[in-house]
Amino acid sequence: DQQVKQNSPSLSVQEGRISILNCDYTNSMFDYFLWYKKYPAEGPTFLISISSIKDKNEDGRFTVFLNKSAKHLSLHIVPSQPGDSAVYFCAASAPNDMRFGAGTRLTVKP
Amino acid sequence: ETGVTQSPTHLIKTRGQQVTLRCSSQSGHNTVSWYQQALGQGPQFIFQYYREEENGRGNFPPRFSGLQFPNYSSELNVNALELDDSALYLCASSNRPSGRGGTQYFGPGTRLLVL
Repeated sequence: DQQVKQNSPSLSVQEGRISILNCDYTNSMFDYFLWYKKYPAEGPTFLISISSIKDKNEDGRFTVFLNKSAKHLSLHIVPSQPGDSAVYFCAASAPNDMRFGAGTRLTVKP
Repeated sequence: ETGVTQSPTHLIKTRGQQVTLRCSSQSGHNTVSWYQQALGQGPQFIFQYYREEENGRGNFPPRFSGLQFPNYSSELNVNALELDDSALYLCASSNRPSGRGGTQYFGPGTRLLVL
């Protein structure tokens, strides 16, 4: 059961532009959402999170938006940099449960 | 550098064998979760341990079991290995269980190949 979906397996953007990564979820029990970044041969690295009581959280170049009615969250990276090239996973958390999407591979071209 | 380490980094087993994977959490983290990540997929939640007790489980059969120790280390045990168990196994530690706002910090993973 895919309770968390990232429908775009890949995304390519130009350096300096905005990258928008999307994630949809189905379980209304999820109350905490996270984005992770993963480089090859490493475990996922925490990037940013948002609680279900908020609709936006910002940290430097990274902003996460949550639309609870649509069960949709997105990660905005602006400006995008070549070092941002990685696989990005969204994750949704409920008490004693955590679900990940399949990931989106972001490529930022110089 | 998350402070979470896993051993071994790679492992090859044959079908029917048993395997034990190990994880050392960040100091002070009372929660550890284990995930299975198949190629091209996101991590799949196996189970979570909080203060040495299982505290949540995903859709994995009982032959996947775990232990958490007071010294912030933990184990994932898989019995009767099947070919489909070949994957990257990740552990993640946190200072609180998922669902309570805890952020998980992942280790680099153990890549298991079952032949």
